[in-house]
Amino acid sequence: SQKIEQNSEALNIQEGKTATLTCNYTNYSPAYLQWYRQDPGRGPVFLLLIRENEKEKRKERLKVTFDTTLKQSLFHITASQPADSATYLCALDQTGANNLFFGTGTRLTVIP
Amino acid sequence: SQTIHQWPATLVQPVGSPLSLECTVEGTSNPNLYWYRQAAGRGLQLLFYSVGIGQISSEVPQNLSASRPQDRQFILSSKKLLLSDSGFYLCAWRKKDSGGYGYTFGSGTRLTVV
Repeated sequence: SQKIEQNSEALNIQEGKTATLTCNYTNYSPAYLQWYRQDPGRGPVFLLLIRENEKEKRKERLKVTFDTTLKQSLFHITASQPADSATYLCALDQTGANNLFFGTGTRLTVIP
Repeated sequence: SQTIHQWPATLVQPVGSPLSLECTVEGTSNPNLYWYRQAAGRGLQLLFYSVGIGQISSEVPQNLSASRPQDRQFILSSKKLLLSDSGFYLCAWRKKDSGGYGYTFGSGTRLTVV
């Protein structure tokens, strides 16, 4: 069966450290992998997208890697800040599919 | 710039009552539109999507229906709500044929069926 797993439900890190979130998938062939941020009671906000033929993508303090052999994406937030505390969702986008398949998310808490 | 509006933000409805949630998009034309539901502690589940006026695809058979009466308007409805319809409902849009773009979500409606 198809599955998207994000490494843990919750992750606590100290301010200034790098947060690393994991997204693993099975039985998908995504053309793109996306990461979203969701704050409590709000809709997800798109952060980054990486294509299947890309290894790494960066945007300011964010970095995403994509390994289609391992079927895994890593999402890094460097120099983390308390304002980065939120739930982060990965989502798979398959070619021709009018759907994004979402993981259940990892709730990140950055401790001052 | 493009914006997406979704209302109401919160709704408490009795079992068996009807439902109508509305979503409108501004600043773009002919978007793909989506309704998702997010249950507590679970991922987002696609309920319906639309690629044009009057064109609705259902992903999950259930007690809900959707309509797209205008290009930038997407409505989620139910004739009789069930307790299991409770959840966080999200509308989203994306440019057509744009696998390289993220989805833009509305702020959501928290529905509690009592």
